[in-house]
Amino acid sequence: DARVTQTPRHKVTEMGQEVTMRCQPILGHNTVFWYRQTMMQGLELLAYFRNRAPLDDSGMPKDRFSAEMPDATLATLKIQPSEPRDSAVYFCASGLVAQPQHFGDGTRLSIL
Amino acid sequence: SQQGEEDPQALSIQEGENATMNCSYKTSINNLQWYRQNSGRGLVHLILIRSNEREKHSGRLRVTLDTSKKSSSLLITASRAADTASYFCATDLMRTGNQFYFGTGTSLTVIP
Repeated sequence: DARVTQTPRHKVTEMGQEVTMRCQPILGHNTVFWYRQTMMQGLELLAYFRNRAPLDDSGMPKDRFSAEMPDATLATLKIQPSEPRDSAVYFCASGLVAQPQHFGDGTRLSIL
Repeated sequence: SQQGEEDPQALSIQEGENATMNCSYKTSINNLQWYRQNSGRGLVHLILIRSNEREKHSGRLRVTLDTSKKSSSLLITASRAADTASYFCATDLMRTGNQFYFGTGTSLTVIP
């Protein structure tokens, strides 16, 4: 079965460091989503791409977060500088318009 | 916000019993989806129901949608210990299409 692949699965780093999370969407999918999951806030949509173009990143703190799709096989989410409050599980999902989303297993991020 | 709200937040039942979870949302939608999340994993799509549908079945799952009440329910019949997971509903706004807003989830525990 085709799967969304996220790397790394776990990341522990000190505050102030740059964090880059990567996602390989399922081949052929034209939408990519980044979510953040915490106990307090649940699952929050951070960014949404369609055909590699960012359509909505209103859920993302602009001053420190950035999301890109350099090509159809790679989506990245960067945090610079990172802060302890960024600790969460970050999920990437891909799909086709108006179809179910396929999620990766997430990157568990801890900022010390 | 458009975010769906699941009810109850947590549910504990004996194996073989039925489990019912509810989801309420605020504005008109194109469709509603239910997802499942096992501990430490990404979300997995279970079932999609369109706004013009009232009921849908998939194996032991039954989903209903009442657009007049802006609510949906997920019924899992003859539950198994392996059904232990968190269950989320996701709604999309009619005006934005593919962006999905997830609820806070119902944590289901099925006791063997």
